[in-house]
Formats: sequence, C-alpha cells, structure tokens
Amino acid sequence: AQRVTQPEKLLSVFKGAPVELKCNYSYSGSPELFWYVQYSRQRLQLLLRHISRESIKGFTADLNKGETSFHLKKPFAQEEDSAMYYCALLGDSGTYKYIFGTGTRLKVLA
Amino acid sequence: DAEITQSPRHKITETGRQVTLACHQTWNHNNMFWYRQDLGHGLRLIHYSYGVQDTNKGEVSDGYSVSRSNTEDLPLTLESAASSQTSVYFCARGGPIRDTQYFGPGTRLTVL
Repeated sequence: AQRVTQPEKLLSVFKGAPVELKCNYSYSGSPELFWYVQYSRQRLQLLLRHISRESIKGFTADLNKGETSFHLKKPFAQEEDSAMYYCALLGDSGTYKYIFGTGTRLKVLA
Repeated sequence: DAEITQSPRHKITETGRQVTLACHQTWNHNNMFWYRQDLGHGLRLIHYSYGVQDTNKGEVSDGYSVSRSNTEDLPLTLESAASSQTSVYFCARGGPIRDTQYFGPGTRLTVL
C-alpha cells in the first residue's frame, strides 16, 4: 500500500534551534517525494523535491530508502518558518497523483 | 501570472442542498485536482482530471462529482451536502515543474 506518515501533529521549537520534521513512506517502487508548506492564510506551495536535492529557505530533505524516510531539516529555525508542512508521495508512475501525509504544524517560538 | 482561482472563498450551506465550488486556471494545464483538507487527515484527493472530458475518482469521491468541459475549469459539485463535507477544499493544477502541483487559495465550506 502507498502511504505517507507524519508522526508529529505539532512541533514546537525555539528560534535558532534545529528543526526536523519526520516523514516516512510506504511504496513498492522508486519513490518521488515532496515537501509542501502552507503559511497562515496562504495557499499550499511547493517547498522542495527530493529529486532536485536542493536547499530552499535553509531546508533540506534527504531520501533514505533503507529507512523509507524523507525528513525535512533546518539547522536554525526562524519565526517565519512557522507553518503547516506536508510530505507528499507521487503515486504510481504517470498518474501525477499525490498521497499526502497528515501534516505537521511547526511553531517557532521567540 | 498563471493563476488558479477558486470561488467562493467561503460558503455556508444547509444539509441537502446542492453546492458547486468553482476552480479556474489560466495556465491551460491538462492536469487538475480537487482535495479536501481536514485536521488529522491532511489532504485527501476527491477527483482529478487529465484533460477535457476526462474525470477520475480519488480517495474520497463519494458525494462529489466533477466535470471538465474545457481546459480552464474543473467545478466540484456536492450533490446533496452533508455535515461531514464541512471542510476546506483546494483545487490544484499541474505545476510548471514536472510532477509538482500548484494550488488554489482554497474554499472554506460549512454545511449546517
């Protein structure tokens, strides 16, 4: 079964502290994974894709096939990082459909 | 800007009424999607379309229907609204980057 698990509903950290938002997936093929972010009162937007291996707004995410994980990390949290974060798995090849996790709300405290 | 818009942004309706939520894109992308967002469930796919006259059921399609008569629009209809359909609804189209999606601003629907 294709599934995405985000075990934390809420993650609170202090400004300047490291952040790790967990994402685990279940997929039989070669996965394509994404992180989307939703800031308060804004639309959902793409943060990063595993295939691009880039850093966006200081965030990185590495695909670990052995642990079936795609955790989102940032070494020093900023208050403007406070948002809802969703991990998404692209479904079967050619379908363009996402399977989303339940999301993690990140609160960065001053 | 290649926008995707949704209307209305907020809607309150009564149980049993038919409701249609509009989604319009100016990008002319073939792929369009409807999701609902609920606390504890994340985003769940309702219906999707790969082009004109093409529609497909998603994970939670019961009680919903869509039609695709042109590339720009994918309206979502709740045939007989139920309180369980109170949610925030997001429309999305295929993004400019392969396999990404670009989301609309959302419609908050309350069914009383």
